[in-house]
Amino acid sequence: DIVMTQAPLSVSVTPGESASISCRSSKSLLHSNGITYVYWYLQKPGKSPQLLIYRMSNLASGVPDRFSGSGSETDFTLKISRVEAEDVGIYYCGQLLENPNTFGAGTKLELK
Amino acid sequence: QVQLQQSGAELAKPGSSVKISCKASGYTFTSYYISWIKQTTGQGLEYIGYINTGSGGTNYNEKFKGKATLTVDKSSSTAFMQLSSLTPDDSAVYYCASGGTTTLFDYWGQGVMVTVSS
Repeated sequence: DIVMTQAPLSVSVTPGESASISCRSSKSLLHSNGITYVYWYLQKPGKSPQLLIYRMSNLASGVPDRFSGSGSETDFTLKISRVEAEDVGIYYCGQLLENPNTFGAGTKLELK
Repeated sequence: QVQLQQSGAELAKPGSSVKISCKASGYTFTSYYISWIKQTTGQGLEYIGYINTGSGGTNYNEKFKGKATLTVDKSSSTAFMQLSSLTPDDSAVYYCASGGTTTLFDYWGQGVMVTVSS
């Protein structure tokens, strides 16, 4: 199975500042069709996960453009600019290249 | 808007089975696959499998073959997951999610807590 490793496990951010979360995959997530099958999800406290970014850099519907995704074949970054209170929660990366789809362990974002 | 309404919490005995449901609304049911994901404190998020709501075809994580069985009832826009031969390790929150073939988890249900205890 493809292992997704996230760092850091937790991050504390001052509102209005930016935050970056890293994710590394154990093999390339770049398909021969040119698409990189890495995704980002946010699970707010007491809620279900929600899709933020799909195929590495595409913003899901309704997600503020303060969120952005980037990366290479195995190293990926979620950046949140101008962090707000509503961004608190656990962020997960995930891969949909191979079965079984797998997720990282999560990064908890808190406010200072 | 897309909504996935899951059934209520389950308390089950070891060795028994449970069947949880996921009713979709706000879109054409057969336009999206329905996937199932297990969440525990220790193991995080685990992909169980998906069902093609149009054809009924399924894709399972090998780990959950024999444990989970996915079905759909197109007439009621509802997907089901049966978990069999339950053990305490099956205690978790189970989510359904709907999405396209290359996104799978666009929309999530509210989750169902399954507790296995004697």
